[in-house]
Formats: sequence, structure tokens, C-alpha cells
Amino acid sequence: DAKTTQPTSMDCAEGRAANLPCNHSTISGNEYVYWYRQIHSQGPQYIIHGLKNNETNEMASLIITEDRKSSTLILPHATLRDTAVYYCIVRPVLTGANNLFFGTGTRLTVIP
Amino acid sequence: GAGVSQTPSNKVTEKGKYVELRCDPISGHTALYWYRQSLGQGPEFLIYFQGTGAADDSGLPNDRFFAVRPEGSVSTLKIQRTERGDSAVYLCASSAGGGSGETQYFGPGTRLLVL
Repeated sequence: DAKTTQPTSMDCAEGRAANLPCNHSTISGNEYVYWYRQIHSQGPQYIIHGLKNNETNEMASLIITEDRKSSTLILPHATLRDTAVYYCIVRPVLTGANNLFFGTGTRLTVIP
Repeated sequence: GAGVSQTPSNKVTEKGKYVELRCDPISGHTALYWYRQSLGQGPEFLIYFQGTGAADDSGLPNDRFFAVRPEGSVSTLKIQRTERGDSAVYLCASSAGGGSGETQYFGPGTRLLVL
């Protein structure tokens, strides 16, 4: 699976947009970009995923560059409850490669 | 509502003992995954079931670890002769199907401490 690179930690002021970057320069055409987050003492929670196009749901937006070598997860109005570790994961479209490779993620701290 | 549940939530055992960790997936989900998370690290894949069979057990660290899913629903992760290095959070996830586009839903984990 393609490797991802994320900053170790980030801070964001409450109410502001949190923009979490991820580099995946070796991504191939048949790999999704997935984002999960893990709040302290809980299991990981799915946020969003995309292949080529930008995606938006009730939690976040995912912006994927045209060359697909990087992406940004955007939390439009961060709250204290968004403090968590955010994992960017690339995952093959093909079946048979079903496990998630998490890496160490970005620890986002939302500051009051 | 039924999300993924795991029992026990915490388990303390002594080195050399045998432990079983249980996972109840979301009803109707055919795919089930086990991951292990050490302190400060992301979860690491252990094993994946499609129905009753282990489709991928490449993440199991050694033969002390074994998992079953006899009826295609509940799964049990079994660890023999536990070692202090086995201390971690063991996470279970399920998805509706086994495709790589399927979202995995995680349980809260079992925190295992081996003394």
C-alpha cells in the first residue's frame, strides 16, 4: 500500500477551520484516500473517503489534488470534541486488500 | 443500536496465562477485522474474516495468537502464554462486505495488560 506522511501534531482555534494535510506521493490510480479519527480511549471513527473528486459530508470535506499526490481534510468549524488523532490512509480499490494501514496520524488539538 | 461491541473492556492477566477477547460485530456485517494498538501508535492489522473463514491472517505476530468466528458473527481472539509485550488495546471492526470500498466500523477496544 502507498505510504502516507502527516504532520505529527497541529493546533486549531475553536470555531475556525481545521485543515489537515496528507502526502501520498506514491499513490496509484486504483487507491482510495480514507480519513479516520480516534478520540482518546475510543475506537477509530470513519470520516470520509475519496478517489479522485473532492468529497463533502456532514463531518468534513476532502480535497484531493489533481495529481492525487496529496490531500487535505477540512473540518469547517472545529469544536473541542474534534480533538483527536486523525489518520490518512490509502487503500486499494481492488478486493482482497481489505485491512487498513493507519500510520501514526496527526494529533489535532482544538483550543478554546 | 448496535455498533460493534467488545468484551471485556479491560483485562488484566499474568504473564503465561491464556486470554480470550470477544467481538460482536454490527448485525449482518459479513467482514470482521482485528487490530492491535500499542501506546502512541496507530492500530495494526491482525486478521480479517469473511464469513466464518479467515481470509487474511498475515498480521498475527506468532502462533500464540489465534482467532475464530465459527458462525460468521461473533469472533474471539485467543492469546496463549501471554507476554508483557502483548499489552495493548485490541480493536475489532466490521464492515457490510469485504470490498476495499467498504467502511469499517470499530468497537471501543479491549485494553489488555499483561503483568
